Amino acid sequence: EVQLLESGGGLVQPGGSLRLSCAASGFTFRSYAMSWVRQAPGKGLEWISAIIGSGGSTFYADSVKGRFTVSRDNTKNTLYLQLNNLSAGDTAIYYCAKDIYHFDYWGQGTLVTVSS
Amino acid sequence: DIQLTQSPSFLSASLGDRVTITCRASQGISSYLAWYQQKPGKAPYLLIYSASTLQSGVPSRFSGSGSGTEFTLTISNLQPEDFATYYCQQVLSYPRSFGQGTKLEIK
Repeated sequence: EVQLLESGGGLVQPGGSLRLSCAASGFTFRSYAMSWVRQAPGKGLEWISAIIGSGGSTFYADSVKGRFTVSRDNTKNTLYLQLNNLSAGDTAIYYCAKDIYHFDYWGQGTLVTVSS
Repeated sequence: DIQLTQSPSFLSASLGDRVTITCRASQGISSYLAWYQQKPGKAPYLLIYSASTLQSGVPSRFSGSGSGTEFTLTISNLQPEDFATYYCQQVLSYPRSFGQGTKLEIK
């Protein structure tokens, strides 16, 4: 059974940093691209980042480019998202998803709240 | 970047109805389109990929069609569990943009 479990969310002050993790199981993690998607309160889905299976290529939405960094550790079957220089507009639930073009599995999400 | 426009943004329907949601892409994306359902407090759930292929386990009352720039999601014989928000997503290229969503409510 495929499982994706995000962690690392919480309350952070503006300008602060956070690292999210997504622990994967039930599939050959290193063989698949992974994406991060976020959803601000009461808003729609926003794709923000992706990384291919080997970790050799990464992709970012303009809204997070230069502030967020996606990475993965295929020995630990874990995906990461480093969030830097956070602002109120980054407040959202952050989901990781298995990316096979479409996203066939999603985690349950982790909430990031940016507030002073 | 490819933009997706969904219509309508809100839809009110009754049990047993047939409804259609449209998704238009700003440029041709062949059949690289997926549809998701999201219920409050839950992660999105894949319904359809490649514009018209039903994900395993999804009821056959859901169907998708289209190619190029115009796509539709049709739900026949609406059931209580179908009232949710629906999103389209283009998967041709990064950024993998989503439509703004269509909230389906009970009339």
